[in-house]
Amino acid sequence: QAVVTQEPSLTVSPGGTVTLTCGSSTGAVTSNHYPYWIQQKPGQAPWTLIYDTTNKHSWTPARFSGSLLGGKAALTLSGAQPEDEADYYCLLSYSGARPVFGGGTKLTVL
Amino acid sequence: EVQLVQSGGGLVQPGGSLRLSCAASEITFSAYWMTWVRQAPGKGLEWVANIKQDGSEKYYVDSVKGRFTISRDNAKSSLYLQMNSLRVEDTAVYYCARIHDYWGQGSLVTVSS
Repeated sequence: QAVVTQEPSLTVSPGGTVTLTCGSSTGAVTSNHYPYWIQQKPGQAPWTLIYDTTNKHSWTPARFSGSLLGGKAALTLSGAQPEDEADYYCLLSYSGARPVFGGGTKLTVL
Repeated sequence: EVQLVQSGGGLVQPGGSLRLSCAASEITFSAYWMTWVRQAPGKGLEWVANIKQDGSEKYYVDSVKGRFTISRDNAKSSLYLQMNSLRVEDTAVYYCARIHDYWGQGSLVTVSS
């Protein structure tokens, strides 16, 4: 089974910009992995911010954006707010409909 | 807006069984793959199982194969997870999800003697 890697933790200043990345042990992440980015705040259920690499939902704040960067999926937060402090998980799809989550990135806004 | 409302869960002894349910509030439930995801205490998210729109394809993480069964009833807009031969390491909050967009509120499953 593939291993999906994320930074364990990152810190960003309020108003600052930070990029979270998501790599795959099988090689470069491409749009064919249909990368998802999922946010989870303490004690809450997860919710999906980004799907299919770059697509946002109506509830996704405009300051979040998804992309492919250097062979990885990336989530960029521009203009961080205190309420963005959360765990962020990427999810990659592989053949056989068995997706794999990354270990998550704990984002601190400080 | 779709809502996924979960029920089931609780405390069970090792080797026991539980059934989780997830009811969707929107009739287009039948048009989407559905998923169960779990989160052990203090750990990250783990994909558990997927089921195709018509139930004809089902996939499981290796650790639950042969013990868990995912199913759906499109007439009732409901998703299920039958969990048998439960182990201590199955202790987690279980979420049903249409991962593309909507998640349930979670159901705590505790396996302990």
